[in-house]
Amino acid sequence: NAGVTQTPKFQVLKTGQSMTLQCAQDMNHEYMSWYRQDPGMGLRLIHYSVGAGITDQGEVPNGYNVSRSTTEDFPLRLLSAAPSQTSVYFCASRVAGGNEQFFGPGTRLTVL
Amino acid sequence: SQQGEEDPQALSIQEGENATMNCSYKTSINNLQWYRQNSGRGLVHLILIRSNEREKHSGRLRVTLDTSKKSSSLLITASRAADTASYFCATVPQETSGSRLTFGEGTQLTVNP
Repeated sequence: NAGVTQTPKFQVLKTGQSMTLQCAQDMNHEYMSWYRQDPGMGLRLIHYSVGAGITDQGEVPNGYNVSRSTTEDFPLRLLSAAPSQTSVYFCASRVAGGNEQFFGPGTRLTVL
Repeated sequence: SQQGEEDPQALSIQEGENATMNCSYKTSINNLQWYRQNSGRGLVHLILIRSNEREKHSGRLRVTLDTSKKSSSLLITASRAADTASYFCATVPQETSGSRLTFGEGTQLTVNP
């Protein structure tokens, strides 16, 4: 199994541009989440999904959209990038009823 | 705001020594988890302790939980250079689903050979 994969690894955007961060998992996990990690801080939850077709907001959802059309994929969309969205983004998944979250390698995003 | 707060923020020890990291949290929890993050990588789950447990062991890891003080500690015994990483506690509040993990700010552990 590849586990949780994220693309791209690195991305530079200009203010106002939009883009989609991709996340996929091949473990048939129902739960998927997006976090952002800023220097010297822990991870903060952006959005999460408990299954295909179901999403909910986390702690810092503003400026981001998500959808979950399949169990495997959970893309994160930045609608109009801002410098405050410069961060490292992690996708994670877990099985329903479980506790351990499996993390992807992260996407490092810089917004100029 | 961060639910979990780790202490110390940074810890530097010699190989073979024990490393202790502490985590405090604010609300009642369902469980508390510890994760490790190597530089430039994603987080890896280490150990989970439930709210009705006081101590748990896994290999060289020992976790304690004191719900009355809303605190937890992670002890790594006989540390190795490969243990160098950031360590995060994460809590699952009682009133939320398991997906709403709330992370602390982490402790950066450096183990010198």
